[in-house]
Amino acid sequence: DIQMTQSPSSLSASVGDRVTITCQASQDISNYLNWYQQKPGKAPKLLIYDASNLETGVPSRFSGSGSGTDFTFTISSLQPEDIATYYCQQYDNLMYTFGQGTKLEIK
Amino acid sequence: QVQLVQSGAEVKKPGSSVKVSCKASGGTFSSYTISWVRQAPGQGLEWMGRIIPILGIANYAQKFQGRVTITADKSTSTAYMELSSLRSEDTAVYYCVYGDHLGYWGQGTLVTVSS
Repeated sequence: DIQMTQSPSSLSASVGDRVTITCQASQDISNYLNWYQQKPGKAPKLLIYDASNLETGVPSRFSGSGSGTDFTFTISSLQPEDIATYYCQQYDNLMYTFGQGTKLEIK
Repeated sequence: QVQLVQSGAEVKKPGSSVKVSCKASGGTFSSYTISWVRQAPGQGLEWMGRIIPILGIANYAQKFQGRVTITADKSTSTAYMELSSLRSEDTAVYYCVYGDHLGYWGQGTLVTVSS
């Protein structure tokens, strides 16, 4: 199975900061990588699909990049409502795997 | 807009089985995948398996092979996830999710396994 290594596991940043989360796949997954946001007590929400495509309705401060094994998720200017846990997820050969998650807090 | 409505919370004994339902509306049920993802208390997301209703073909994460069965009823646009041989570690919120990109999520069903 493909393993996803996401880092950091937690992150504290100030409003307005640029925030970056990385995800590394154990083998080449092309661009088959999605990013999700989950707020406490809520279901996850798709933000980025196919590594770099912004889901409809998602603010443009969110972005994703990468291909192959190394991927990056960025919030260009952190807002208070962005406090959540973020997950990467790969889909390859009919199987899906999530990263361990990054808990984002306001400093 | 796709909406997924899941069945209610369950409390089960160790060794028993649970079957969770997920009724879809507002989308083309048969043509897209329905996945099941679970989340244990305070833990991350874990993909269990998925089905393509139009084909009736399911595939499962290796961890759950032999213990989980995912089915779909095209006539009622409802998917089901049955997990057997329950143990305390299976206590979690179980989500059904629509689409290849996991774009639409049900509200979640809490399954508690306790003696």
